[in-house]
Amino acid sequence: DAGITQSPRHKVTETGTPVTLRCHQTENHRYMYWYRQDPGHGLRLIHYSYGVKDTDKGEVSDGYSVSRSKTEDFLLTLESATSSQTSVYFCAIRRGGESGYTFGSGTRLTVV
Amino acid sequence: DQQVKQNSPSLSVQEGRISILNCDYTNSMFDYFLWYKKYPAEGPTFLISISSIKDKNEDGRFTVFLNKSAKHLSLHIVPSQPGDSAVYFCAASAKADYKLSFGAGTTVTVRA
Repeated sequence: DAGITQSPRHKVTETGTPVTLRCHQTENHRYMYWYRQDPGHGLRLIHYSYGVKDTDKGEVSDGYSVSRSKTEDFLLTLESATSSQTSVYFCAIRRGGESGYTFGSGTRLTVV
Repeated sequence: DQQVKQNSPSLSVQEGRISILNCDYTNSMFDYFLWYKKYPAEGPTFLISISSIKDKNEDGRFTVFLNKSAKHLSLHIVPSQPGDSAVYFCAASAKADYKLSFGAGTTVTVRA
């Protein structure tokens, strides 16, 4: 979707290494979110942000940290990747109105 | 504990027939409900929503019904088309919260 991009799209990393995923928006929205999608669990909230330097935990935040130093960028960091963090990660922005969130195209992360 | 539940992992329907997807929720604070559609290798996209002040919302071939007393909502797709083959996620939020909780998803396959 125009306005929100995730990078990288795919990544393979080794257990114990740090990994950072990037979400970039061009529309100056206040709220940004990181979700992970796993079979049988749907999408689960990892962390979210309600402004620059304002972040909070979601339901599956253990092992993850986030930073938002600029409105347009929301970074998700796995400090020491584990195999249980193999997943597809989606970033989302809240545009307001009736549509809820707009999602990025996702990052497929494999931890070997 | 998952607050939004989609108990049917999959649904197969013949082209032209009705698809009915079901969703249950447990949090009585939820007052806004949405359905998202997801194709492989893409992010979820908004389909239709309903506020708790309504019991039905219609948009073309898609209708969402809300039964607050039963904490149940359903999505009807009539008529089903091959392009409707996708994963459908039910989501809910309390408006004051700005966080969406998702179900596990239902994979719909429309047969020719």
